Amino acid sequence: DAEITQSPRHKITETGRQVTLACHQTWNHNNMFWYRQDLGHGLRLIHYSYGVQDTNKGEVSDGYSVSRSNTEDLPLTLESAASSQTSVYFCASSIGVVGARKFFGPGTRLTVL
Amino acid sequence: GENVEQHPSTLSVQEGDSAVIKCTYSDSASNYFPWYKQELGKRPQLIIDIRSNVGEKKDQRIAVTLNKTAKHFSLHITETQPEDSAVYFCAASIADYGGSQGNLIFGKGTKLSVKP
Repeated sequence: DAEITQSPRHKITETGRQVTLACHQTWNHNNMFWYRQDLGHGLRLIHYSYGVQDTNKGEVSDGYSVSRSNTEDLPLTLESAASSQTSVYFCASSIGVVGARKFFGPGTRLTVL
Repeated sequence: GENVEQHPSTLSVQEGDSAVIKCTYSDSASNYFPWYKQELGKRPQLIIDIRSNVGEKKDQRIAVTLNKTAKHFSLHITETQPEDSAVYFCAASIADYGGSQGNLIFGKGTKLSVKP
C-alpha cells in the first residue's frame, strides 16, 4: 500500500551536531512539507517543496534546510542542532493542486541535549 | 499572512453530548478548510474538510460549517463517544495560486475529552 514514512522515529542528539530526518512517500505526490509540533503552538510549517529541485521556506525555517532530488523523498537537515529544536517533526504530502488533501507521516521525536 | 484562531483550547463533554469547536481565519482568499484529529502519540489524521463553495458538509457524526462572510468555520461532533477524545486542529489554506498552492495554517488545537 502507498504510504508516507519517517525515520528515525526517535532521535537524541547533542547541541551543535548535524541531524537529518528522512521522509519517504510512495503516493507519487508532488507536494511535500515539513512541520514541527510544540505544545501551545500547534503545527508550524518549516519547509515545503512542490516538486523535484523545488524548495521553499515556511514560517519557522531558520536553522533547517531541505533538498528534493526525487519525487519520493524530502529529507530535513538541522545544520547545527539547538535545544530550541527539540520537538516532534511531521512530514506531509499532497498531490500538486490547490486545496489538495494533505496526509501526514508518523512523526519523529527529536531531543537536542 | 493568514492567521487561524481556534477555540476553545480544551473541551470536556459527557458521552452522548455534542461538541463544537470554532475557528476564525483572517485571509479572505483562503478557500480550503480541513480538520484533523490527533490522538496521543499519533499523527494528525484528516477527518473532514470543506471548500469555500460549500456552506456545510456532514460525514456521519461529524459536520463542518463555513461562514465566509464572517470568516469562521466550526466542527460539530454529535453523540460523542470516548474514542472521540483527542486533539482537534482546524486549518486554512492560503489560496495563492501564484505560489503557496494551499499551504495550511493551523489553529493551535482543541483537546476534547469525552467522559463515559
